[in-house]
Amino acid sequence: GENVGLHLPTLSVQEGDNSIINCAYSNSASDYFIWYKQESGKGPQFIIDIRSNMDKRQGQRVTVLLNKTVKHLSLQIAATQPGDSAVYFCAENNNQGGKLIFGQGTELSVKP
Amino acid sequence: DTAVSQTPKYLVTQMGNDKSIKCEQNLGHDTMYWYKQDSKKFLKIMFSYNNKELIINETVPNRFSPKSPDKAHLNLHINSLELGDSAVYFCASTNFDTQYFGPGTRLTVL
Repeated sequence: GENVGLHLPTLSVQEGDNSIINCAYSNSASDYFIWYKQESGKGPQFIIDIRSNMDKRQGQRVTVLLNKTVKHLSLQIAATQPGDSAVYFCAENNNQGGKLIFGQGTELSVKP
Repeated sequence: DTAVSQTPKYLVTQMGNDKSIKCEQNLGHDTMYWYKQDSKKFLKIMFSYNNKELIINETVPNRFSPKSPDKAHLNLHINSLELGDSAVYFCASTNFDTQYFGPGTRLTVL
């Protein structure tokens, strides 16, 4: 069945360190992937996306890596800041009418 | 200048009642969605509308009825509320791939 999951439900890092959040997906037909950040009491906020014809994409302090061979997606946050504390979701678009399938979510906690 | 807005933000009600949640987007998007987020933060799509037409209905009980008066609005009406309906409901919109989410409505059924 369709599944987008995360290896670690919680991640605690020291301020200034780099964070890596991982995600596994199972649908080979998915061609578009998104990372969302959800702060407490708010809706998911778009961070970065990547299409299946790429294996890396960089934004401001964030990098998404896509490994289609093993169906793995990761989000790297450089120099993690307290404001990065949130739940992070990966999502895949499996070409079924624009439907996004979300992973479990990883809670990132940044220690000052 | 909120892109996707929802009302109310909090909704507390008794079992058996009927309630509605409203959503509006000012992004000019053609497609809107309703998601349910449970207590474990799992996000699951419920419905999708494209230009007022239903395109995704994810085996949601028929007590839930979405209504789209125009492509900028997608409301969710829930009949005969049950305890298990307690969750945070998110509206989202998109023009192509990236979905933009509203702030959520926390529904508590007592």
